[in-house]
Amino acid sequence: GAVVSQHPSWVICKSGTSVKIECRSLDFQATTMFWYRQFPKQSLMLMATSNEGSKATYEQGVEKDKFLINHASLTLSTLTVTSAHPEDSSFYICSARDRRTEETQYFGPGTRLLVL
Amino acid sequence: EDQVTQSPEALRLQEGESSSLNCSYTVSGLRGLFWYRQDPGKGPEFLFTLYSAGEEKEKERLKATLTKKESFLHITAPKPEDSATYLCAVRGGTYKYIFGTGTRLKVLA
Repeated sequence: GAVVSQHPSWVICKSGTSVKIECRSLDFQATTMFWYRQFPKQSLMLMATSNEGSKATYEQGVEKDKFLINHASLTLSTLTVTSAHPEDSSFYICSARDRRTEETQYFGPGTRLLVL
Repeated sequence: EDQVTQSPEALRLQEGESSSLNCSYTVSGLRGLFWYRQDPGKGPEFLFTLYSAGEEKEKERLKATLTKKESFLHITAPKPEDSATYLCAVRGGTYKYIFGTGTRLKVLA
């Protein structure tokens, strides 16, 4: 149980284009999903917290117009990187909190983004 | 300020050589302490959640323990497939998850 999927697993795009990443909780309902960014050999950096049916809460320093988050249902959240630039290249990971086990969050496999 | 410190940063063990990873934390109103395993290029894999001092949980060769100031992840007779980065995180009264920088474990055959 508690499986989270992400799609795509990797994406290469040209500078200036937008990229959408999907995060799904496959076997549980998630009232809250989180989006992280991870640089090589570093820990997770929380970008935003996404609650179903409401606006996402962004961490300080994260541009909400750059990283659009939508949490339309209890099993799906999306992250759209708008007008991507090479500095947006990174490993993006989502997680979901199972409403049955209130505190624990389960992570997706991650999406590797490379902006050329 | 809530904080998590993991030690050591890196650890090399021979296969079968047991050891412990440390996670020291300061948090107001602990709501949970979490251990994850992360392999290169993958998302963290959930291992354990501990809620209160004195609690212990086990899974195969791993055992997690919790005190009021720190948590240990004990690895008994590790195998090469246990090689990974182990992450510790806490959630406190601010409801945010605070992650440590991880311990990179390498188990040699």
